Amino acid sequence: NAGVTQTPKFQVLKTGQSMTLQCAQDMNHNSMYWYRQDPGMGLRLIYYSASEGTTDKGEVPNGYNVSRLNKREFSLRLESAAPSQTSVYFCASSPMGRNYSNQPQHFGDGTRLSIL
Amino acid sequence: KNEVEQSPQNLTAQEGEFITINCSYSVGISALHWLQQHPGGGIVSLFMLSSGKKKHGRLIATINIQEKHSSLHITASHPRDSAVYICAVEVYSGGGADGLTFGKGTHLIIQP
Repeated sequence: NAGVTQTPKFQVLKTGQSMTLQCAQDMNHNSMYWYRQDPGMGLRLIYYSASEGTTDKGEVPNGYNVSRLNKREFSLRLESAAPSQTSVYFCASSPMGRNYSNQPQHFGDGTRLSIL
Repeated sequence: KNEVEQSPQNLTAQEGEFITINCSYSVGISALHWLQQHPGGGIVSLFMLSSGKKKHGRLIATINIQEKHSSLHITASHPRDSAVYICAVEVYSGGGADGLTFGKGTHLIIQP
């Protein structure tokens, strides 16, 4: 049972380069999330998707775009990477949706991204 | 915006001690989560509460909705409990999932 799978696990980019972080879950969850974790700041929500075909901005969406490709996959794109986007990125999923009460979130192992 | 405060930020204790980590938040919530993050970086959900108390093994989580406060307790602590413990809150709007708001975490070290 893979749970939430993120790729890549590590990446180094130069300022201005673009890349896409991939996330897939095999638990048939409705909701998916992207968070970033920075020292002293804790985890912060970038974007989320409450269901297939919908996405919404979180607390820190600037500089990012997302795609909910299907129910399983939720990708995060950096169009023009900046050093301020150096962080650890976590994808998570939850069964939560219109017909579910609050449910725990399941996290991927994270992607460590450095922007030089 | 919900503000989530955890205390202490850092805690070092001896094996066997009873551990308490506190979490307070500023706005009414639908649920509160306690998460554990090990040095390798992975995040695991320990508890999700909307009221009362939950117990799993040596871990106990309580929440007081009126006081907007939750505690995580570890009984008979062990070095393998060393990790960062993160409190997070959630507001369920009924239209879907709005994501979690996190505290900054409590870094716990249990010495043998």
